[in-house]
Amino acid sequence: DTAVSQTPKYLVTQMGNDKSIKCEQNLGHDTMYWYKQDSKKFLKIMFSYNNKELIINETVPNRFSPKSPDKAHLNLHINSLELGDSAVYFCASSQAGANTDTQYFGPGTRLTVL
Amino acid sequence: GENVEQHPSTLSVQEGDSAVIKCTYSDSASNYFPWYKQELGKRPQLIIDIRSNVGEKKDQRIAVTLNKTAKHFSLHITETQPEDSAVYFCAANDYKLSFGAGTTVTVRA
Repeated sequence: DTAVSQTPKYLVTQMGNDKSIKCEQNLGHDTMYWYKQDSKKFLKIMFSYNNKELIINETVPNRFSPKSPDKAHLNLHINSLELGDSAVYFCASSQAGANTDTQYFGPGTRLTVL
Repeated sequence: GENVEQHPSTLSVQEGDSAVIKCTYSDSASNYFPWYKQELGKRPQLIIDIRSNVGEKKDQRIAVTLNKTAKHFSLHITETQPEDSAVYFCAANDYKLSFGAGTTVTVRA
């Protein structure tokens, strides 16, 4: 009965590889997000989708490509991984608007690029 | 865009004492101010939020105050307990949520 789930929980990979992180929510929410939390714990939004449509893209390198096959899923694909991509990536969802509703976070995916 | 500043970055309190975290924001159009708690290795979770038509909101030991004129809002935790130890984030909205840099709270037993 997990509300927002992500896989995998940990991801260790070499520079230059391509990897994907998957996210699913069973809350019936319309809006989903990807956040990056760096080593200093700073939380920064990367993308937001509303009903499968991209509504926020925060100047993220185009090596990062989100995909939303339906409103319950938002995946993140990263090409040509770099050392600076190492971080914890959180998926989140909210009922409606991107900026005025409670956001429910997934458990996070810790990405380590060697 | 919105810029949220949060102070202090770390806070150590004796169990039973109060803790106060302060945030300022830049966009006068912001109207939603949530606070998230993140325990070590866990996900951020909403603990309380306030909207611009309210000056104060309380939920048991937690309260948030908002001063729209000064563009600042604060989190107050009373009678702190060891389980209050965590990183706390404030946030303010424009077209998205902008988070403060976080406050690491340590409650000493």
